[in-house]
Amino acid sequence: GQNIDQPTEMTATEGAIVQINCTYQTSGFNGLFWYQQHAGEAPTFLSYNVLDGLEEKGRFSSFLSRSKGYSYLLLKELQMKDSASYLCAVLPNDYKLSFGAGTTVTVRA
Amino acid sequence: DGGITQSPKYLFRKEGQNVTLSCEQNLNHDAMYWYRQDPGQGLRLIYYSQIVNDFQKGDIAEGYSVSREKKESFPLTVTSAQKNPTAFYLCASSLVASGVTNTGELFFGEGSRLTVL
Repeated sequence: GQNIDQPTEMTATEGAIVQINCTYQTSGFNGLFWYQQHAGEAPTFLSYNVLDGLEEKGRFSSFLSRSKGYSYLLLKELQMKDSASYLCAVLPNDYKLSFGAGTTVTVRA
Repeated sequence: DGGITQSPKYLFRKEGQNVTLSCEQNLNHDAMYWYRQDPGQGLRLIYYSQIVNDFQKGDIAEGYSVSREKKESFPLTVTSAQKNPTAFYLCASSLVASGVTNTGELFFGEGSRLTVL
């Protein structure tokens, strides 16, 4: 099976920066996704990394190191609406996307 | 607008009853998936289908059944054999990931919350 680890919870202040780490051990690698999920809603796509390095998209950035089996999602200039669960997911050789348990981020005023 | 529609959004059932959750997509995606989500756990794959009239078991298929008679539709039946069916169920679709022409990004429906009384 696939093994994807991320912290359970993180808390940060409005306007601050938070970094959510994700480590993985999978049968092959065809890309890593980050999704955002608000409580009771469907996940929505944030980012995709398949090559090493940093992908920046507005206030959100995602980094990948394939040799280390490591990724992080960086949320800058935090807003209250960023309070949500953030899911790390890896696409292994069988192309069945495998998800971590998610990190719940709470943004405080 | 293109998207994935799940129904019902909330469903209650008595123990011993089978229930069917609907999932329809108009994105012309080949692949469709059913995930289950429990508090504090990630999404777990129940069944997936990459082509009409074909589907495969995921990691937790016991107590569930599916069909894929049309490209647009992938209903999930939660049978009485499923020991702990209370959960949030998510349907998703994607272009079949090739690693070259597309990434296999999943598009999700709004989810169906099933509660067993």
